[in-house]
Amino acid sequence: GQNIDQPTEMTATEGAIVQINCTYQTSGFNGLFWYQQHAGEAPTFLSYNVLDGLEEKGRFSSFLSRSKGYSYLLLKELQMKDSASYLCAEVDSNYQLIWGAGTKLIIKP
Amino acid sequence: IAGITQAPTSQILAAGRRMTLRCTQDMRHNAMYWYRQDLGLGLRLIHYSNTAGTTGKGEVPDGYSVSRANTDDFPLTLASAVPSQTSVYFCASSADSGHSPLHFGNGTRLTVT
Repeated sequence: GQNIDQPTEMTATEGAIVQINCTYQTSGFNGLFWYQQHAGEAPTFLSYNVLDGLEEKGRFSSFLSRSKGYSYLLLKELQMKDSASYLCAEVDSNYQLIWGAGTKLIIKP
Repeated sequence: IAGITQAPTSQILAAGRRMTLRCTQDMRHNAMYWYRQDLGLGLRLIHYSNTAGTTGKGEVPDGYSVSRANTDDFPLTLASAVPSQTSVYFCASSADSGHSPLHFGNGTRLTVT
């Protein structure tokens, strides 16, 4: 089966920048999603990458390298409300999503 | 307000009982999904439907069944609940399967005792 790897937990300071990495197996790749999930809530869509490069959307950016099987989510000017889990999900060869376990981001003042 | 609605919000269920989790969307999305989310694990797909009238098995389908009689509704049934089915269940929909973002319901927290 395919594995999605992302760190379990990260800590960052309010106002700083944090990069959350995600690696996946490259066979049958059809795109990669990032979702945000606050504790006790549903995941919400952040970004989608299918081509190499950086997609910027306000304070959040997502990067993809298909040859390396690697993506990251970059969060700038961190705010306390950014404390959440960030889920990486690959679209596989059957157009189904393979989800990582999520990275819990803790923001400290 | 357009979106996806799940019911109930939470439920405590005795082992062996039958339970149906309800899911309704009003976005006219073709694809719908049921996931379970357990601590330390990623979202795991139970069943999915790419369009009304069709369903498919996901990664963890055993003990669950679904139906998709129309575009809007996608109920998930546990025929005879077991404690290992204690989890948070999310229903989701997308315009089509694959590249469209998923819209999630607020989840159902199910405890099987």
